[in-house]
This record gives sequence, C-alpha cells and structure tokens, in this order.
Amino acid sequence: KAGVTQTPRYLIKTRGQQVTLSCSPISGHRSVSWYQQTPGQGLQFLFEYFSETQRNKGNFPGRFSGRQFSNSRSEMNVSTLELGDSALYLCASSLTGQGPSYEQYFGPGTRLTVT
Amino acid sequence: QQQVKQSPQSLIVQKGGISIINCAYENTAFDYFPWYQQFPGKGPALLIAIRPDVSEKKEGRFTISFNKSAKQFSLHIMDSQPGDSATYFCAARDDRGSTLGRLYFGRGTQLTVWP
Repeated sequence: KAGVTQTPRYLIKTRGQQVTLSCSPISGHRSVSWYQQTPGQGLQFLFEYFSETQRNKGNFPGRFSGRQFSNSRSEMNVSTLELGDSALYLCASSLTGQGPSYEQYFGPGTRLTVT
Repeated sequence: QQQVKQSPQSLIVQKGGISIINCAYENTAFDYFPWYQQFPGKGPALLIAIRPDVSEKKEGRFTISFNKSAKQFSLHIMDSQPGDSATYFCAARDDRGSTLGRLYFGRGTQLTVWP
C-alpha cells in the first residue's frame, strides 16, 4: 500500500506571496491532519479534516487554511507569507482520526522556505 | 504550554548499549501514546505505541514502559545500533471532541549511537 504523499517536496517563496501544499493520504484513510515543524517550536498541530469537514484547528492565524476533497486528498494554503512561515509542513493520515483505529502515518513533508 | 515533556534533548549511546528516552504528561484524558522516529529530510515514522491499560509493550528491540500513576512513559532501545541514530518524538492523544485527530508531541530527542 502506498504511503502518504506530499507535493511539492520543496518550495521557495517570497514574503507576501501565497502557497498551496497538497497531501494524498493512504488509500482508505479518511482523516488528514497537518503539522508545522520548526527547530524552535517542534511539531505544531495546524488542523484536521475528516470527510471534507474541518474537525479541529490549532492556534495558527487565519492565513493558514485547508480543505479536503471527496477522495480524502487535502490541501493547505498559506496566504501573505511571512519569514516565520519557513518550516517543514507535514501531513498525516489516519483511518478515522479517532477511536481504536487511530494510528497516524506521516508523509515526507514539504520544506517551505520564505525569503 | 507543552502538554508532553520529553527528556533528554540529546543522547549519545555506544553501539550495543541501551537508549532510554522519557516523557511525562499531565492530561489524564490522554489515551494513546505513540513514539515516532525521524531521520533528517524525512517525515516522522510511527515506531511503537501503547494504550494506558498496558504497562509495557515490546516490538523487537523497542520497548515502551508506561506508568499511569506517575503519568510517565519511556522508550527503551535495546542493543542500540548506529542505524538507530535519529530524532525520537513521544506523543499523546486526547480523543475528546475538541481535540479529535490531534497528537501532542514532545520536543524530541536527538539520539546518536557511536559505532
């Protein structure tokens, strides 16, 4: 079974621009969570989607948004990029995101650099 | 506020030795405790996980010990190998409605195993 895939793997953007990152979960998984990883803050939860609905959101500004499609693929968008948004953005998929079938599997991440 | 506290920040172990990483938490609603292994340039990989009704779980050279009363859990890597050199993260889940699909991560432990 194919793992979680994320595209693009690397991205360089300029301050003020916007960016869209994509995540394809493991086949059959319906929950997708997004995390931001930085050396200073570690792994920070952004949001989680299940069946095209955002169920949970972390403490990030409204510039960070996401969505999920009917095939469970997910995208996250960051508008008006700031230097501090430079990070590894990780997507994790899970069967349902809750209950016993909870294991979260991570993709390789998208390395975003804002200049 | 860090919900899961992890120590040490870095660990150096000789090949064949035992690596021990500790985590502590306060939220008694946490009901699932995974450990992830992350190599540079990769996403975190699920290593082993435990639920609070079990005090120990072993998979190969990796063992989780769980102390519910002390609200602590630890990862033991037996017969540590240079290939185990990576960053290890502990995490915890609170399966209530407001925190669905979210893992709370420790800050990570960078393990180096000397040959």
